[in-house]
Formats: sequence, structure tokens, C-alpha cells
Amino acid sequence: DGGITQSPKYLFRKEGQNVTLSCEQNLNHDAMYWYRQDPGQGLRLIYYSQIVNDFQKGDIAEGYSVSREKKESFPLTVTSAQKNPTAFYLCASSMRLDPSANYGYTFGSGTRLTVV
Amino acid sequence: KQEVTQIPAALSVPEGENLVLNCSFTDSAIYNLQWFRQDPGKGLTSLLLIQSSQREQTSGRLNASLDKSSGRSTLYIAASQPGDSATYLCAVKGKTSGTYKYIFGTGTRLKVLA
Repeated sequence: DGGITQSPKYLFRKEGQNVTLSCEQNLNHDAMYWYRQDPGQGLRLIYYSQIVNDFQKGDIAEGYSVSREKKESFPLTVTSAQKNPTAFYLCASSMRLDPSANYGYTFGSGTRLTVV
Repeated sequence: KQEVTQIPAALSVPEGENLVLNCSFTDSAIYNLQWFRQDPGKGLTSLLLIQSSQREQTSGRLNASLDKSSGRSTLYIAASQPGDSATYLCAVKGKTSGTYKYIFGTGTRLKVLA
């Protein structure tokens, strides 16, 4: 079955530590996205990528980094510079970013990150 | 700046009721609107996608309508069941600062009582 796989499901980070969240898709989608979800708030965009080797900052990129070396993969690193990283992180993909195509998003099952 | 609002934030109904969830947005220049379902601790599952040129979409017991000019969408759930209990999110795709992206509402948490 085609879909998006996020791992791990739960992740614990110590103060000052970098951690990497995995996102893999086998949908042959061009565009991939990372969102952060906090209680009582809408999803906020961290980074997005339209094609391999290219990515753009979203609304809350500070303290995060990404790479897009393969079409299928878009890992997110939460660095020690992110002061409040405890949240639920969601990865999504879509066929392409072109609005005239009007594709929707497909989401992964999420990673819950907790600072200990 | 596009803002998406979902009211009410939470809703409890007895099983079998028909119900309507509301989504409003401030900028009518959207490309499409997508409704999602989210179970606790899970990712988002797409329910319906309405293009800007469409008025409604249907899937099973779900019907979503879109009125771009008034900045509103509704998700109608017929004959609700306990399994429909979840948070329902709407998202509108528009252009912000030269970038096309979805803006999400904060969701309506639905509980269907058996």
C-alpha cells in the first residue's frame, strides 16, 4: 500500500541534544512538508520541499533543519536551538505544489517528541 | 493574512443524529479546501477535498459544501456513529507571501455518544 511512514512514533530528547525524525513516502509525490501541532493550535508549517535538493522555510523554521536528498525521504532535525521542541510532528506530501493541479495532502501518523 | 476558524471547538451528540461542522476563512482567494479527521495521537486522514470551482463533495455519510464568496465550508455527517468520534480539521489552500500552502483551523472535537 502506498503511504507515508514516520518514525519513530515516540521520541525523547535530552536538553542540548539534536534529534532526527524520519519521513518516507512511496506515493511518488513531488512535494513534502513538515508541520508541528500543539494543543489548542492549528498545524504550523516548519519546512517544505518541492523537489529533490531544494527546500524552503515555513512559518516556524527556527531551530529546525531538513534535507531532501531523495524524492522519497524528507528527514527533520530538531536542533538544540529549538527551545520548546515538545510537540507532535506531522509529515505530509502532495503530488506537486502547483496550485493549478489542486492536489490535496496525505499525512503520516506523526512523531511525538518530548524533552526530558 | 488568511485565518481559518472552526466553531464549536467541541461537540457532543447522541448516536444517530445528523450534524454539521463549520469552517470559516477570511480570504476567499483559495484554490481548494480539505477536510481531515484526526484520532487521538494519530495523523490526519483526508475525508474530502473541494476544489475552488466546486460547491460540494460527497463520500458515504459525509457531505462537504463550499461557499467561497462568504468564506464558509460545512461538513455534514449523516446518522452519526460512535466511531465518528474524532477531531475534524479543515484546511484552505491559498497563496501567502508568494508561497502556496494550506492554512489549518484548530479543529472541532466531536464525541458521539452511544
